[in-house]
Amino acid sequence: IQLTQSPSSLSASVGDGVTITCRASQGISNYLAWYQQKPGKAPKLLIYAASTLQSGVPSRFSGSGSGTDFTLTISSLQPEDFATYYCQQLNTYPITFGQGTRLEIK
Amino acid sequence: EVQLLESGGGLVQPGGSLRLSCAASGFTFSSHAMNWVRQAPGKGLEWVSTISASGGSTYYTDSVKGRFTISRDNSKNTLYLQMSSLRAEDTAVYYCTNYVTSIRYFDYWGQGTLVTVSS
Repeated sequence: IQLTQSPSSLSASVGDGVTITCRASQGISNYLAWYQQKPGKAPKLLIYAASTLQSGVPSRFSGSGSGTDFTLTISSLQPEDFATYYCQQLNTYPITFGQGTRLEIK
Repeated sequence: EVQLLESGGGLVQPGGSLRLSCAASGFTFSSHAMNWVRQAPGKGLEWVSTISASGGSTYYTDSVKGRFTISRDNSKNTLYLQMSSLRAEDTAVYYCTNYVTSIRYFDYWGQGTLVTVSS
């Protein structure tokens, strides 16, 4: 199953709201997770089951979707949110990741 | 505190072999499926392999089938990845992660170990 994220890169300012989309090549129910990765660090789980916020993750992060179309929304960007974001499908093997969305400071 | 500590990375020639280890602590290792995920320099994340909690089931991405073997020793709380017939395209940071299969997500990640395949 291929996952296509858009946009591939995004420039925004602190306080802005942004949305990243992830489209699956076939239906994956809600078996979708979102990760944040900062340079030189391991990925960090943000959201699982498409819309469930991982413990400790700020509420400005939210996820939605089911089937083939999913979104990650950050409601008010903070300086620590500038990073690369990946979606991941866990519906079937092989597990796959989207190509990533790099979120940069404008 | 959950810790996943990978080791065993390094420089290896094309066609060579390497075994990665991941020492787990802070959670009930024997109750969790585990994974290897890799990231080539400057590239995105790629799932490599998963092993069930008991070790009885394993899964691989196509590009490593027949060359890599995932295994675990629940008595030692350690995950392994035996890599053979290594190619330049296997060069990457390799992360071990746990896998919450009931809800399906990877929540704990190690710091990664770098494997470089080059002559």
